[in-house]
Amino acid sequence: GAVVSQHPSWVICKSGTSVKIECRSLDFQATTMFWYRQFPKQSLMLMATSNEGSKATYEQGVEKDKFLINHASLTLSTLTVTSAHPEDSSFYICSAVGGNTEAFFGQGTRLTVV
Amino acid sequence: GENVEQHPSTLSVQEGDSAVIKCTYSDSASNYFPWYKQELGKRPQLIIDIRSNVGEKKDQRIAVTLNKTAKHFSLHITETQPEDSAVYFCAATLSAGGGNKLTFGTGTQLKVEL
Repeated sequence: GAVVSQHPSWVICKSGTSVKIECRSLDFQATTMFWYRQFPKQSLMLMATSNEGSKATYEQGVEKDKFLINHASLTLSTLTVTSAHPEDSSFYICSAVGGNTEAFFGQGTRLTVV
Repeated sequence: GENVEQHPSTLSVQEGDSAVIKCTYSDSASNYFPWYKQELGKRPQLIIDIRSNVGEKKDQRIAVTLNKTAKHFSLHITETQPEDSAVYFCAATLSAGGGNKLTFGTGTQLKVEL
């Protein structure tokens, strides 16, 4: 299957700082990328949908000014958690879709805000 | 929007027995139903999927059935093995040329006991 690389795999940051997470499709062009958040023992909750070259579409309840998404190219999308707080600690995971294909997931990023 | 319910939340079976996980969806327009297996701290892996023009699909020990009228679909794992232990998520989406916005079920923790 196609490869989606997410970086970093884990990060610890201080409260109030910002963290950037990258999601790259390595062997295909991703027309759409999705960002999910997963709390322990819970399901994947969609945060936002990003299409290359356009603004991301955020799900209800997700603050767009706090979770900045940039999809500058067909192979890269970034999620920046701004002014992170302990309640933002979670497993963030992206998925990428190219055309009418299955969604491929990145390996996820474990964010811990202390 | 789409709403996916999944049952049971936990499932314990003896090695060699079968396991069945059931999901229902709300949007009759959904036409693509993938199942994912997620091990702790790792990315979800697609194990099988089914489209709405098919009622059943099988891949070795794994099968999925779909009842469009009742809007439910099920995952069947036969001859379970300890390595099948993981969290399984069903999902539903309207697959339309890309942008597969997946709505996930709440997950089932499957434990296969020796």
